[in-house]
Amino acid sequence: AQSVTQLDSQVPVFEEAPVELRCNYSSSVSVYLFWYVQYPNQGLQLLLKYLSGSTLVKGINGFEAEFNKSQTSFHLRKPSVHISDTAEYFCAVSARNTGNQFYFGTGTSLTVIP
Amino acid sequence: DAGVTQSPTHLIKTRGQHVTLRCSPISGHKSVSWYQQVLGQGPQFIFQYYEKEERGRGNFPDRFSARQFPNYSSELNVNALLLGDSALYLCASSLAVSGPYEQYFGPGTRLTVT
Repeated sequence: AQSVTQLDSQVPVFEEAPVELRCNYSSSVSVYLFWYVQYPNQGLQLLLKYLSGSTLVKGINGFEAEFNKSQTSFHLRKPSVHISDTAEYFCAVSARNTGNQFYFGTGTSLTVIP
Repeated sequence: DAGVTQSPTHLIKTRGQHVTLRCSPISGHKSVSWYQQVLGQGPQFIFQYYEKEERGRGNFPDRFSARQFPNYSSELNVNALLLGDSALYLCASSLAVSGPYEQYFGPGTRLTVT
């Protein structure tokens, strides 16, 4: 089975400052990795995904993430945040070749302070 | 194209009652998955269906059941509701049952059990 740990439950950051949301995963098989964002009272929207190839992945809204196999991490970063980035962020994994059931972390609440 | 749709949006039930939640996937998507998101937590996998067959089941009691119809829409049924079943129930669709395909989430059904 797979599991995901999001190390920070809440991250406050000032507007236009950089941010990093941390994600570590555990799996006995190779995985695909995803970051989703959830705005209040809404479903989940895909930010970016790592399937294979380059370990630096760029997504929507200026977000990027880097896959580090040796550290089993997939941290999300943005160089300059906006008020509109305030939301809940979820890291997720799914096992390659055995079904795309997703395993999610507990989420990180990002609050951008004006 | 329309995204994943779910009905109803909100639902209030009493302990011991039964509930049916409905989901329509994105056109062309044959895989539907159900997740339970308790307040303050990440989504937890309940079921995955593909071509009307159950392809995966999470760690949920037998009170939870689901099915998929020939048009790939799906129902999630929960019997003998408990207070702990109060959650946001998310439906997600995907092109296939496995492989590098992200899941597209609907807005969810908010179930409150009193």
